[in-house]
Amino acid sequence: DIQMTQSPSSLSASVGDRVIITCRASQSLSSYLNWYQQKPGKAPKLLIYASSNLQSGVPSRFSGSESGTDFTLTISSLQPEDFATYYCQQSYGLPYTFGQGTKVEIK
Amino acid sequence: QVQLQQSGPGLVEPSQTLSLTCAISGDSVSSNSAAWNWIRQSPSRGLEWLGRTYYRSKWYNDYAVSVKSRITINPDTSRNQLSLQLNSVTPEDTAVYYCVRTDYDGKPRPFNWFDPWGQGTLVTVSS
Repeated sequence: DIQMTQSPSSLSASVGDRVIITCRASQSLSSYLNWYQQKPGKAPKLLIYASSNLQSGVPSRFSGSESGTDFTLTISSLQPEDFATYYCQQSYGLPYTFGQGTKVEIK
Repeated sequence: QVQLQQSGPGLVEPSQTLSLTCAISGDSVSSNSAAWNWIRQSPSRGLEWLGRTYYRSKWYNDYAVSVKSRITINPDTSRNQLSLQLNSVTPEDTAVYYCVRTDYDGKPRPFNWFDPWGQGTLVTVSS
């Protein structure tokens, strides 16, 4: 199975901060990497697919990039509604696997 | 707009069968450009993909090795829904279960992602 390692597991940030979340894959994914946002009691919501493509309706402050087996989710200016847990997921091969999550909390 | 509505019991006794249903609106379970998955989430295991069903001239299923001997995912074309059955459950199967569509971008080696998700069903395995 492809292992996905996210860092950090949690972070505290203020409104307006730039936030960077990293996900490392155990093998090459050729951009088959997606990002999701989950709020308490809700299902995950797709933010970015294929490493850097913004899902329709998602604010442009969210962006994704990759370098080798490292993937990055960036929130350029954190908003109050962005406090949530973020997950990466590889869609390169079965079984599909997720990172353990990064919880973004209010500082 | 695709919507997934889950239903099923929230409490299952150990050794019994967990059964959930997912009603699909805005798409077809027989779509040639989608797949239909079950994913669960628990504090101990995180988000765990369990399996999928999809139609490409015939029906296919793929299952996670961790549950392969106990799981069945079936499409119901007459009702446009899919079901999950997980046999011989233990407390380790306690989790929130999600019905999820795989969407594809249509390229020869397509990118794919999970969207949308059902509302989730908390299933507790306990006597």
